[in-house]
Amino acid sequence: NAGVMQNPRHLVRRRGQEARLRCSPMKGHSHVYWYRQLPEEGLKFMVYLQKENIIDESGMPKERFSAEFPKEGPSILRIQQVVRGDSAAYFCASSPPGQGLFEQYFGPGTRLTVT
Amino acid sequence: KNQVEQSPQSLIILEGKNCTLQCNYTVSPFSNLRWYKQDTGRGPVSLTIMTFSENTKSNGRYTATLDADTKQSSLHITASQLSDSASYICVVSDLTGGGNKLTFGTGTQLKVEL
Repeated sequence: NAGVMQNPRHLVRRRGQEARLRCSPMKGHSHVYWYRQLPEEGLKFMVYLQKENIIDESGMPKERFSAEFPKEGPSILRIQQVVRGDSAAYFCASSPPGQGLFEQYFGPGTRLTVT
Repeated sequence: KNQVEQSPQSLIILEGKNCTLQCNYTVSPFSNLRWYKQDTGRGPVSLTIMTFSENTKSNGRYTATLDADTKQSSLHITASQLSDSASYICVVSDLTGGGNKLTFGTGTQLKVEL
């Protein structure tokens, strides 16, 4: 059973460009979480999605950031008009369907560098 | 607002020795506390999850404790190995989102040397 996959692993964008980060959850998992880790800081929650639904986006910046988890295909975190402050490692995690407390399995992260 | 503070910030120990990492947290209402290990350049890997009714949980050479009254947790590593060199992160969650919305500490950077 393959783990959580993220691509690309490294992404370089110039200021003003768009960044698209992809996350394929573990097989059978229907919950996806996105976190951002700035240099020298802890991971910060951004958004929690289930298939075709955003459950909690309280950690997402109000502008330029969006996330989706379509019925088919990976979850996408999209950052429009990137700025230098967006440079960070972006991790996604997945967990199984259902209610209750679940283990979250993390992917290897995408390291975004904005030049 | 949920908060997690960890100490020490960094630690160097010799291979074979034991160590204990500390975590103080503020979360309301408490749902669970987790410890993760994060190798450089990798995603975090879960070591333990504890709810309020659990005060100790082991995973191999890792043993976590939880004192819900003082809002403190510790992670004890026994007979350390070079591969234990990593960041150890304390994570808490309240009941929002079923206890799955996580607040991370900044971690204790552990280095195990020969």
